[in-house]
Amino acid sequence: GENVEQHPSTLSVQEGDSAVIKCTYSDSASNYFPWYKQELGKRPQLIIDIRSNVGEKKDQRIAVTLNKTAKHFSLHITETQPEDSAVYFCAASWSGNQFYFGTGTSLTVIP
Amino acid sequence: DVKVTQSSRYLVKRTGEKVFLECVQDMDHENMFWYRQDPGLGLRLIYFSYDVKMKEKGDIPEGYSVSREKKERFSLILESASTNQTSMYLCASSSSGQGGYGYTFGSGTRLTVV
Repeated sequence: GENVEQHPSTLSVQEGDSAVIKCTYSDSASNYFPWYKQELGKRPQLIIDIRSNVGEKKDQRIAVTLNKTAKHFSLHITETQPEDSAVYFCAASWSGNQFYFGTGTSLTVIP
Repeated sequence: DVKVTQSSRYLVKRTGEKVFLECVQDMDHENMFWYRQDPGLGLRLIYFSYDVKMKEKGDIPEGYSVSREKKERFSLILESASTNQTSMYLCASSSSGQGGYGYTFGSGTRLTVV
């Protein structure tokens, strides 16, 4: 089955700086890569996703890049704000069926 | 607003009890999933279902079973609760259609087995 690795497990940045979280996957058949944000005590929420026919996708301060050859994808958050502090999960899936999740990155934005 | 609803936010059960965790979605999604979330281990798949009366084992099915008698409802059953099943349990649903694959998660049930 698929194996998704996520790094780093914890990340602290100063407010206004950028944050980058990286994930690798093992199954070349995976074609859908979502990112979830989970605030303390709340459910994970989808923040951005990318399909394998696209190399990059951007939504305001959040962007995701995908390198299919290397089998890795990354989440980029620019101009970080304290409300970006949360746990972020990456996932890989084939056509939206079973998702394989990374182990999560706890992001702290220091005011 | 689409919803995945888990019946209990917090549960405390005794060792050996049979425990039912209920999940209901109102999005007509085909796929439903049960995960447990533990610090440092991320989200681990227990069971999933792609259709009514259908179930598949995930990565950690031992000690659990599931039931899906109706499309909108997916139940997780702990046959005989043990302390190592103390965890946060998250239900999710998704559509198999071409549009948006993303899971929608429930709010979670924090289960403590004493």
